[in-house]
Amino acid sequence: NAGVTQTPKFQVLKTGQSMTLQCAQDMNHEYMSWYRQDPGMGLRLIHYSVGAGITDQGEVPNGYNVSRSTTEDFPLRLLSAAPSQTSVYFCASSPQIGADTEAFFGQGTRLTVV
Amino acid sequence: GEDVEQSLFLSVREGDSSVINCTYTDSSSTYLYWYKQEPGAGLQLLTYIFSNMDMKQDQRLTVLLNKKDKHLSLRIADTQTGDSAIYFCAETHYNTDKLIFGTGTRLQVFP
Repeated sequence: NAGVTQTPKFQVLKTGQSMTLQCAQDMNHEYMSWYRQDPGMGLRLIHYSVGAGITDQGEVPNGYNVSRSTTEDFPLRLLSAAPSQTSVYFCASSPQIGADTEAFFGQGTRLTVV
Repeated sequence: GEDVEQSLFLSVREGDSSVINCTYTDSSSTYLYWYKQEPGAGLQLLTYIFSNMDMKQDQRLTVLLNKKDKHLSLRIADTQTGDSAIYFCAETHYNTDKLIFGTGTRLQVFP
């Protein structure tokens, strides 16, 4: 099993550009989520999904879109990149939420918006 | 709403015990977790505690939960240089589907 795979690992965007951060898991997990990590602010939840076809907003959803057409994939789209979206992005998956289960994280995508 | 706070830094000498603290605001938390993040990597689960427990021990790790004060702590006995990392507490609630993380504590272990 590869676990949770995020691509790309690094990305530089110009303000106003759009892009998609990819996340795939091969563990048949129902729950997937996206976080951004900023110094002194921990991990903040952007969007999450409890299963294919179902998504919901987290704490900081503005400027981001997600979709969950398959159980395996949960891409995060930046519609028009802004410098405030410079961050490290983590995708996570778990069998379920709110229980004694582990969330598995990808290696992260470091995004810089100039 | 959900708010999980941690102190940002902790520095300890190798061999000493480390205590990392976390406070949360939502009393309906069901599970509380400790995750570890090593440099350049994602997070990995260290341990968790159910909200009806006061303490959980797992080898060098001891988790204490004071539900009245909404305070969670992680004690690492005999801290080693390999324990240097960022430690996050996190919580979930029975009526939401969110896993909410704290601000993270950077633990530095010096010889």
